[in-house]
Amino acid sequence: ILNVEQSPQSLHVQEGDSTNFTCSFPSSNFYALHWYRWETAKSPEALFVMTLNGDEKKKGRISATLNTKEGYSYLYIKGSQPEDSATYLCAPLDSWGKLQFGAGTQVVVTP
Amino acid sequence: NAGVTQTPKFRVLKTGQSMTLLCAQDMNHEYMYWYRQDPGMGLRLIHYSVGEGTTAKGEVPDGYNVSRLKKQNFLLGLESAAPSQTSVYFCASSPSRAGGLDTQYFGPGTRLTVL
Repeated sequence: ILNVEQSPQSLHVQEGDSTNFTCSFPSSNFYALHWYRWETAKSPEALFVMTLNGDEKKKGRISATLNTKEGYSYLYIKGSQPEDSATYLCAPLDSWGKLQFGAGTQVVVTP
Repeated sequence: NAGVTQTPKFRVLKTGQSMTLLCAQDMNHEYMYWYRQDPGMGLRLIHYSVGEGTTAKGEVPDGYNVSRLKKQNFLLGLESAAPSQTSVYFCASSPSRAGGLDTQYFGPGTRLTVL
């Protein structure tokens, strides 16, 4: 079981501001990294799958980077909007082919 | 397509009662998963299945059983419910192993309370 840490646990952002948060995990024992977006009262939805190539992913105003050597990933939200309010989950894929989910970072964007 | 559906959405049980949660997917996915989600914790894998007729234990399997008799259905059973099993249960499916570009598709969740 991988120890996955996400920080901060929650953050409040003013509409229009940019923000970022971190997912860290053991660098030696993962094979891919997934990011999911989870809105209140809905199901988690996939944002990105990042492979060990470590390339940056982007979807609209949201982007993610992966440092495979040191075992962390950043998720960035540029120009936050109220619809970005959600919990963002990261999940490295372990050697058994299973996703190990972090507890998430809850983002609240206020107008 | 309905995607992944879960039945029921809510349930209250008394300690010692049994119940079955049903997950159904219409995407012809091979892999299916059951997770539980508790406050302050990430989604934890209970059991999973890599294909019809197969099941395997996840991170927290104790107190649960599963069956995958049909490819589109994955059942989670609680034989004798305990208060520690109060949680929100999510089912997910993926086309194949969750590596590479395959992501998991989640159901809406079942909120279970055990008194």
